[in-house]
Amino acid sequence: DIQMTQSPSSLSASVGDRVTITCRASQGISIYLAWFQQKPGKAPKSLIYAASSLQSGVPSKFSGSGSGTDFTLTISSLQPEDFATYYCQQYNSYPITFGQGTRLEIK
Amino acid sequence: EVQLLESGGDLVQPGGSLRLSCAASGFTFSNYAMSWVRQAPGKGLEWVSAISGSGDSTYYADSVKGRFTISRDNSKSTLFLQMNSLRAEDTAIYYCVKPKAASGKFSDCWGQGTLVTVSS
Repeated sequence: DIQMTQSPSSLSASVGDRVTITCRASQGISIYLAWFQQKPGKAPKSLIYAASSLQSGVPSKFSGSGSGTDFTLTISSLQPEDFATYYCQQYNSYPITFGQGTRLEIK
Repeated sequence: EVQLLESGGDLVQPGGSLRLSCAASGFTFSNYAMSWVRQAPGKGLEWVSAISGSGDSTYYADSVKGRFTISRDNSKSTLFLQMNSLRAEDTAIYYCVKPKAASGKFSDCWGQGTLVTVSS
């Protein structure tokens, strides 16, 4: 199985900051990498697929990059609604696997 | 508008069984592979199982293989998850998930989830 390792596990930032979350796959997954945002009590929401493609309706403040084994999610100009937990997911092959999550908190 | 409505979650004793359903609408259900993803209380996301549009191919996480069975009724646009030999560690919210592309694996639409609690 492909292991997905996210870092950091938690992150404190201020409104207006720019933050970056990284995700590393245990083996190459090309660009089959997605990012999700989850708020408490809600289902996950897809943000990015194919490593860097923005899901419809997602603001351009979210961006993704990477290929192979190393990927990043960058969120610019943080707003209160961006504080949530973020997950990466590889969908290169079954079993599909997720990173452990990064909790983004307000400083 | 795509809608996924899960049902069937309940409190069940260890060793028991439960069948989850997901009623889909707003897209041609039979064209799309579908998946189940779960989330234990306070924990991360775990992919559970997937099934092809025709139902001919199924895939499972090792943690549920041999205990859970995914199936679908394309005539009723409904996805199922039969869960047997349930364990405490199966306690979770179970989400029904639709991919962006018909045969793809990237999940762009999630249901609201149904809670399964395994406890005596």
